[in-house]
Amino acid sequence: DTAVSQTPKYLVTQMGNDKSIKCEQNLGHDTMYWYKQDSKKFLKIMFSYNNKELIINETVPNRFSPKSPDKAHLNLHINSLELGDSAVYFCASSRHQETQYFGPGTRLLVL
Amino acid sequence: KQEVTQIPAALSVPEGENLVLNCSFTDSAIYNLQWFRQDPGKGLTSLLLIQSSQREQTSGRLNASLDKSSGRSTLYIAASQPGDSATYLCAVRPDSWGKLQFGAGTQVVVTP
Repeated sequence: DTAVSQTPKYLVTQMGNDKSIKCEQNLGHDTMYWYKQDSKKFLKIMFSYNNKELIINETVPNRFSPKSPDKAHLNLHINSLELGDSAVYFCASSRHQETQYFGPGTRLLVL
Repeated sequence: KQEVTQIPAALSVPEGENLVLNCSFTDSAIYNLQWFRQDPGKGLTSLLLIQSSQREQTSGRLNASLDKSSGRSTLYIAASQPGDSATYLCAVRPDSWGKLQFGAGTQVVVTP
């Protein structure tokens, strides 16, 4: 009965690789988000989708590309991974712009 | 540009004491404010959401107040328990489609 789930939970990879993180919500929400939490624990939004349409696109490198195949899924693909991409990535969802519910996070380590 | 500040960065209290966590924001034109809890190695759990038209919200031992004119919100946790140990984050939304702007959080330790 997990509300917002992410896979994988941990991801260790080499510089230059391409990787994807998947997110699914079963709350019937229409808006989904990707956040990055850096080593200092500061949380910043990266993208937001509403009904599969991109509504927030923060200043992130073009190597990061979100994809929303349907309202319940928002995946994050990262090309040519760099050391600085190491962080915890959180997916979240909400109904309209109300309370956001977060997934457990994906801990990415780039070596 | 909206800036969200949480003071103190860390707080340690004995069990049973009331907790007072502060959040301040520089731009009073907000849509809503949300308080979250984050346990080590875990995601965020929403605690309370206060709309801009509201002055406070309550849920069990938690009470959050909002004073938009002074750019402040306070989270009160009554009769703290060791299970309340976590990092507490506040986040403001500037408008109905705007992004949540997070503070850096207050790390709370409640000692038995």
